[in-house]
Amino acid sequence: DGGITQSPKYLFRKEGQNVTLSCEQNLNHDAMYWYRQDPGQGLRLIYYSQIVNDFQKGDIAEGYSVSREKKESFPLTVTSAQKNPTAFYLCASSIRGNRNTEAFFGQGTRLTVV
Amino acid sequence: KNQVEQSPQSLIILEGKNCTLQCNYTVSPFSNLRWYKQDTGRGPVSLTIMTFSENTKSNGRYTATLDADTKQSSLHITASQLSDSASYICVVWGQAGTALIFGKGTTLSVSS
Repeated sequence: DGGITQSPKYLFRKEGQNVTLSCEQNLNHDAMYWYRQDPGQGLRLIYYSQIVNDFQKGDIAEGYSVSREKKESFPLTVTSAQKNPTAFYLCASSIRGNRNTEAFFGQGTRLTVV
Repeated sequence: KNQVEQSPQSLIILEGKNCTLQCNYTVSPFSNLRWYKQDTGRGPVSLTIMTFSENTKSNGRYTATLDADTKQSSLHITASQLSDSASYICVVWGQAGTALIFGKGTTLSVSS
């Protein structure tokens, strides 16, 4: 089955540690996105990538880093510089340049700093 | 600045009643608008897509409308069910090479 997979579903991190969230898709989509969602708030864009080896900062990129070495994978690293990392993180992918573009989402990773 | 604004922020209705959610956008140029449903702790799932030339589209009990002149869309839910309790997110795509723009969503609670 084609889809987009995030792992792990739940993640706990100690303060001061970096942690990497995985996002893999087998939909052959060029574009991939990372969003953060906090309680009572909408989705906020962290980073997005339109093609392999290229990515752009979103609205809240500080304290995060990404890589896009393969079309299928877009891992997000939450660094110790992110002051308030506890949140629900969503990864999405879509076709580029199509007027009927739809974003397909993973099931999310809930990160908690302990 | 490209923005998507949704209203109301939250809504509580009785089972069986109808409701309408609103989405206003300033994204230009405009390619399409999608309504997503997000259950708590899950990823959003697409309900319907509206392109520039479409005014109304239905998906079961969900009916979306689009007025491209006033840059407004609505999502009407008829005969609500308890399973309709979720966040409903309006997402607008402008042009190739740009990211999707998300509204903050409307949280709908359907009670018995």
